[in-house]
Amino acid sequence: EVQLVESGGGLVQPGGSLRLSCAASGFTFSGSWMFWVRQAPGKGLVWVSRVNPDGTSTTYADSVKGRFTISRDNAKNTLYLQMNSLRAEDTALYYCARNREYGFDIWGQGTMVTVSS
Amino acid sequence: QSALTQPRSVSGSPGQSVTISCTGTSSDVVNYNYVSWYQQHPGKAPKLMIYGVTKRPSGVPDRFSGSKSDNTASLTISGLQAEDEADYYCCSYAGSYTWVFGGGTKLTVL
Repeated sequence: EVQLVESGGGLVQPGGSLRLSCAASGFTFSGSWMFWVRQAPGKGLVWVSRVNPDGTSTTYADSVKGRFTISRDNAKNTLYLQMNSLRAEDTALYYCARNREYGFDIWGQGTMVTVSS
Repeated sequence: QSALTQPRSVSGSPGQSVTISCTGTSSDVVNYNYVSWYQQHPGKAPKLMIYGVTKRPSGVPDRFSGSKSDNTASLTISGLQAEDEADYYCCSYAGSYTWVFGGGTKLTVL
């Protein structure tokens, strides 16, 4: 079965750090462009970050640049998002997704990150 | 990285057609044929409905179609059904390996 399963979300204080994981199965993870997309409560989807198949190229939305780091371990079929210097506005449901032919065709169920004191 | 512009809401009766617009700029929609559309039901993950402006993934009904003209992409749903009621988001490649989503449109089936 093709699936993505996120984990690692939780409650963190402003300025804190969190690492999200996304376990992939059922498709060739090592050949896939992978992304993080977030959705604040009651709000729309926002692209966060992208990594190429071998992990050598990454890009970020301006809102997280310098604070978040995307990475992957193809041996473990796992995508990561290291989030530092977290702010209240980072509170959201974080989805990992595969992008194929410029469409996000596989999505996880999301992991919730809440930044609050 | 400004969000694409979508109407906040649209509505239609069963059997009718509705069109959701998605307006961008020369940084995204105008210069790239990489617009995609997503359907999201409450509490669920988004689902890819259209990619590459007009392409439909397998399993998506042909009632869903996409198009683009100048700076505006559109999603048309014909023969509206109750289960089409959901939020819809457009997304465009914006160059330099960045992407941008629209703010979302709530579709109500009357």
